[in-house]
Amino acid sequence: DAKTTQPPSMDCAEGRAANLPCNHSTISGNEYVYWYRQIHSQGPQYIIHGLKNNETNEMASLIITEDRKSSTLILPHATLRDTAVYYCIVRPREVYSTLTFGKGTMLLVSP
Amino acid sequence: GAGVSQSPSNKVTEKGKDVELRCDPISGHTALYWYRQSLGQGLEFLIYFQGNSAPDKSGLPSDRFSAERTGGSVSTLTIQRTQQEDSAVYLCASSLGFTGPYEQYFGPGTRLTVT
Repeated sequence: DAKTTQPPSMDCAEGRAANLPCNHSTISGNEYVYWYRQIHSQGPQYIIHGLKNNETNEMASLIITEDRKSSTLILPHATLRDTAVYYCIVRPREVYSTLTFGKGTMLLVSP
Repeated sequence: GAGVSQSPSNKVTEKGKDVELRCDPISGHTALYWYRQSLGQGLEFLIYFQGNSAPDKSGLPSDRFSAERTGGSVSTLTIQRTQQEDSAVYLCASSLGFTGPYEQYFGPGTRLTVT
């Protein structure tokens, strides 16, 4: 039961911003939006998460629409090392829950 | 600081043998998770521990799979009588807690190949 929808792949030129969309139209009020990425042959890496407000950290920015039905992960200046599969995940805040990974978006950053 | 570590990084075993996979979580993390990722597939959740307790074992694929955690730290995932379909990368993750917006930190994984 996929709770998120992401494009299967995206391309981005090195140095440009990468904007990765995610639809989560059935998100509940107590569910967070998480983003992870998985570089080839490595374990997934946490990027950022948010509930309602936009969030920014040293890796990325997360923009969540006002109705919370979609979000965008922004890598402001993509590098070749950002080539990875990016997963958008919704997870309840306060109850037992693990991360359910979908198929994600394969981001290819090219020179 | 040290991240999640897993050993071995690679394991090749013959069908029918038992294997043990080890996970060392980040110090102080009370929650520990096991996932597996088959070739070209997404991550499949197997089991989690809160402290030494595993309240939900329904994610384990069969009764050949078992896991334990001792001292609230190291965990081992054991697969008995391995089958070829067990071939996958087994990933361990840990987090500060289980309920709440705690991010999970993943180890590099153990690549298991059953011949």
